[in-house]
Amino acid sequence: AQSVAQPEDQVNVAEGNPLTVKCTYSVSGNPYLFWYVQYPNRGLQFLLKYITGDNLVKGSYGFEAEFNKSQTSFHLKKPSALVSDSALYFCAVRDSGSARQLTFGSGTQLTVLP
Amino acid sequence: NAGVTQTPKFRILKIGQSMTLQCTQDMNHNYMYWYRQDPGMGLKLIYYSVGAGITDKGEVPNGYNVSRSTTEDFPLRLELAAPSQTSVYFCAGRTGGSNQPQHFGDGTRLSIL
Repeated sequence: AQSVAQPEDQVNVAEGNPLTVKCTYSVSGNPYLFWYVQYPNRGLQFLLKYITGDNLVKGSYGFEAEFNKSQTSFHLKKPSALVSDSALYFCAVRDSGSARQLTFGSGTQLTVLP
Repeated sequence: NAGVTQTPKFRILKIGQSMTLQCTQDMNHNYMYWYRQDPGMGLKLIYYSVGAGITDKGEVPNGYNVSRSTTEDFPLRLELAAPSQTSVYFCAGRTGGSNQPQHFGDGTRLSIL
């Protein structure tokens, strides 16, 4: 079975500071990992993904994520947060070898304070 | 392209009523999905389809039905609405392999009273 955990329901950061949103996963094979962002009253928007290769993945709006196989983590990062980054962030995983569908984390609400 | 379009955006139902949530896409997605989103619970897969005429159950299918008569449309049917079905429903589509992202509609907010 595959699973994903986002250990923080809420993350607050000051504008201009670096931000990190945490995600850990569990799969039996190799993972496909995704980050999505959700703004109020909107659907999820794709930010970035890890499939294979370079452990540092760059995505939309200046976000990046680091894949760490030994720690089974895929944390989302941004060097300098903007107030407009305030949103709900979801991590998702699929076991590339066996799973038929994505499993989503419970989400982390990011608030960037001016 | 409009992407994935869901209608209606909001709906209030009485217990026992039925309704169909509409989802249509113009991105030539072969895979389509229905999720429900409850606060603090992430997204749960209700049903999915791998192409026209082919559907399968997800994690939480009870109380719902789907059909996929065309590639573009993937309606979700609620029979005998119950308060536990109060949620936000999202339709999503995907083109290509499982390493490709899903594209989501803006959701239907459904309340059962």
